[in-house]
Amino acid sequence: VQLLESGPGLVKPSQTLSLTCNVSGVSLSSDDYYWSWIRQPAGKGLEWIGRVYARGTTSYNPSLKSRVTITLDTSKNHFSLRVRSVTAADTAAYYCATTNFYSGKPMDHWGRGTLVSVSS
Amino acid sequence: DIQMTQSPSILSASVGDRVTITCRASQGISTFLAWYQQKPGKALELLIYKASTLESGVPSRISGSGSGTEFTLTISSLQPDDFATYYCQHYNNFPYSFGQGTKLELK
Repeated sequence: VQLLESGPGLVKPSQTLSLTCNVSGVSLSSDDYYWSWIRQPAGKGLEWIGRVYARGTTSYNPSLKSRVTITLDTSKNHFSLRVRSVTAADTAAYYCATTNFYSGKPMDHWGRGTLVSVSS
Repeated sequence: DIQMTQSPSILSASVGDRVTITCRASQGISTFLAWYQQKPGKALELLIYKASTLESGVPSRISGSGSGTEFTLTISSLQPDDFATYYCQHYNNFPYSFGQGTKLELK
């Protein structure tokens, strides 16, 4: 399984941040996988954003839930993250990750991350 | 929400040393605890899950233990490739959360 994040590196305050995680090695049509987003502000720790699985069922971190949407696109074999009304506090490296539902693991395959800056 | 606290934040050690990193959960999480290694420019690597299960391909000098609220990651004999930042993460319930990280640096 390989994951590759993509999206704009710069977003203006109050706009929507949109990222895509392109997946190879497994089909997003499979109900056996969780697909997650995590972020990391520069020099700081990791924050779990949320995950999607099985026909679009989602779970989100309450700290971001009101602004975040994670979706699956099985036709393109990728999943996406949208964060609305961004501020400088959303500046971070964003990672996508996955795991097989039956593995008992939290997240065992990660992308290398993509840097997003929020600035006017 | 469950808070994860790692210690120390920075650990200075030499090749061949035995080192231990501690992770404490603010409430019991059974053994739903994972450890990751992060190196600059590389994808995070899962090292340990279920508190003590070694991920495939991870060297056996790395081990994990603990349950409930206190957990440890031990590297029995440090190798040059081990100098990195380590994070614990609980996955007992939502929201998942991570410790603040331990940077393992060369003394």
